[in-house]
Amino acid sequence: AQTVTQSQPEMSVQEAETVTLSCTYDTSENNYYLFWYKQPPSRQMILVIRQEAYKQQNATENRFSVNFQKAAKSFSLKISDSQLGDTAMYFCAFMKHVLRDMRFGAGTRLTVKP
Amino acid sequence: SAVISQKPSRDICQRGTSLTIQCQVDSQVTMMFWYRQQPGQSLTLIATANQGSEATYESGFVIDKFPISRPNLTFSTLTVSNMSPEDSSIYLCSVDGLAGGYPYEQYFGPGTRLTVT
Repeated sequence: AQTVTQSQPEMSVQEAETVTLSCTYDTSENNYYLFWYKQPPSRQMILVIRQEAYKQQNATENRFSVNFQKAAKSFSLKISDSQLGDTAMYFCAFMKHVLRDMRFGAGTRLTVKP
Repeated sequence: SAVISQKPSRDICQRGTSLTIQCQVDSQVTMMFWYRQQPGQSLTLIATANQGSEATYESGFVIDKFPISRPNLTFSTLTVSNMSPEDSSIYLCSVDGLAGGYPYEQYFGPGTRLTVT
C-alpha cells in the first residue's frame, strides 16, 4: 500500500519570505503522480501543483515549485514570496497511474504572518 | 477546471437516519470519487463511483453503509446510512478526466459538512 508522510504538522513564515513543506512517500510503483493541494478555512481543496514521476524536471507554478527526488521518494513544496492568502492546510498526495485513487498525507498547517 | 457543486453544503442529522449527498459537475468527466475528512484529519478515499456499474470501495468502507450511485457522466450521490456520531465529517466529491484537461488532475467539490447528534 502507498503511504504519504508529512512530518511537519505546523509551520509558520513571515510574509514575503520563503518556506518549504516536506513530503515523503512509499511505493513500489514506477509510474505515478504527486500533487500538492491547499485547503483554506473555506475547506475548498485547491490544486497547487502536480508532478509526473516520469519527468525529471521539477514542476513550477508561479510562486510554487517542487523538489522531486524520485530515488529518495521525496516531494517537497517551496512557496516563495509568501502571501497572507497562502495561510491554509497543505496536503501532499500520491496517485497511481492506473487506478487514479489518491492517497493523502496528514497535512501541514501553514500560517503566513504579517 | 470544472464547476463542481454539492448538496447539501451542511446538515445536522439524528443518529439512525440516512443522508444522501449529491455531486454535480458542469461537464462530463471520466472518474468521480468520494472522500471523507474527519474533524482535523486528512482525506480518506471512500470509493470510486463508476458510471453504469457498482462503485469500487476502499478497505474499511462497505456498500451497505455508503451506497453510491452514478447514473451518468456528470452526477453522483453518496448516502450515509444508519448514521452515528462517528460519521460526523466533511464529505467531498472529486472528479478527473475532464475533457480537454489533464487526465490525472482531480478537482474537488466544496464539501458537505455532516454533524450527527
